[in-house]
Amino acid sequence: QQQVKQSPQSLIVQKGGISIINCAYENTAFDYFPWYQQFPGKGPALLIAIRPDVSEKKEGRFTISFNKSAKQFSLHIMDSQPGDSATYFCAAASGGSNYKLTFGKGTLLTVNP
Amino acid sequence: DVKVTQSSRYLVKRTGEKVFLECVQDMDHENMFWYRQDPGLGLRLIYFSYDVKMKEKGDIPEGYSVSREKKERFSLILESASTNQTSMYLCASSRTWPQHFGDGTRLSIL
Repeated sequence: QQQVKQSPQSLIVQKGGISIINCAYENTAFDYFPWYQQFPGKGPALLIAIRPDVSEKKEGRFTISFNKSAKQFSLHIMDSQPGDSATYFCAAASGGSNYKLTFGKGTLLTVNP
Repeated sequence: DVKVTQSSRYLVKRTGEKVFLECVQDMDHENMFWYRQDPGLGLRLIYFSYDVKMKEKGDIPEGYSVSREKKERFSLILESASTNQTSMYLCASSRTWPQHFGDGTRLSIL
């Protein structure tokens, strides 16, 4: 059973455009929602994370939008740059989980110059 | 900066061999994790450990075991390697959040 569904699987955006990646979850006990960024040959690295007590969190060009009632959250990358080309993973976890994460399947983002 | 080091970037082994993947972290983290990453499947948790000598199964533990004799080191063991275990293996550690990842070991089983 896939508990975190991520879409799209791949995304191509022009430089300066907005990249949007969506995730949906099923487990209402989840209370921590991070996004990880992975470049080729590297491990995933935390990009930004949100807890369900806020509906939006922004760090630079990266924004998480969170909709608790719909059990959905999304990553928006404003003014996308070729250097943003990477694989992005959403994830979710619950407080009593020994800090285990459940990951989405990933989105390969390509930003064309 | 947290450093999670995986002993090998690339590894080639034969079916039936016993394979050891090693991971070391330098931040005194209690929690350590082993994932495998396959195209289109994302990251799937194999095993994790929340203390020395403690371990719990993740989502896909079959064919794997783990060892944590020291806090900084977490080993993944393929008891009898099979071709369907060819994959990228990622180790991570954390105290709470976030998890910090190593750069992975690409394992090929021939």
